Amino acid sequence: GESVGLHLPTLSVQEGDNSIINCAYSNSASDYFIWYKQESGKGPQFIIDIRSNMDKRQGQRVTVLLNKTVKHLSLQIAATQPGDSAVYFCAENKENDYKLSFGAGTTVTVRA
Amino acid sequence: EAQVTQNPRYLITVTGKKLTVTCSQNMNHEYMSWYRQDPGLGLRQIYYSMNVEVTDKGDVPEGYKVSRKEKRNFPLILESPSPNQTSLYFCASWGTGDQPQHFGDGTRLSIL
Repeated sequence: GESVGLHLPTLSVQEGDNSIINCAYSNSASDYFIWYKQESGKGPQFIIDIRSNMDKRQGQRVTVLLNKTVKHLSLQIAATQPGDSAVYFCAENKENDYKLSFGAGTTVTVRA
Repeated sequence: EAQVTQNPRYLITVTGKKLTVTCSQNMNHEYMSWYRQDPGLGLRQIYYSMNVEVTDKGDVPEGYKVSRKEKRNFPLILESPSPNQTSLYFCASWGTGDQPQHFGDGTRLSIL
């Protein structure tokens, strides 16, 4: 069977290692997914998005994977840096809906 | 620089004293929204606006009002604040339904 990553509220990563942050979404009608990064004292900052007609999208040091079968989203950060320490949220949206539904968030701490 | 600007960033006030949190965006976005962020509850939508003079309730609208008289501004009004409205508030704007929302840096309200 296929494994599904667990959502963890916290993640501690050694600097230079790769990070994987998991998210399970709830609405099978959602067709647009976004990862946000929130640093202390700031608002959520867009990292990368993916639409439901894709299963993978890459950005600079980040990759988002979408598995619609099990309603799972993951964010991979390559060569994690101290500046990557933050809370990461996944969010889902339906076409023509005006509300983002946010996940619980994962706090990533990068160890030097 | 593209941004969403909220004011004030911090406010401590008392129960029943009307207050307004302003939000302004310089990206000519059609859509704007207000969220509150509480520990363990994530981000929840209060109100959103699809265009000038068009607003609708989100998940937690009770005790709040909004207005959209101009495209760039979307103030959040607490007519009679209560302690349960103590929270971190974020304004967001976006261009179309399948674009990421841009967030302000937040307003921390404490209602005593």
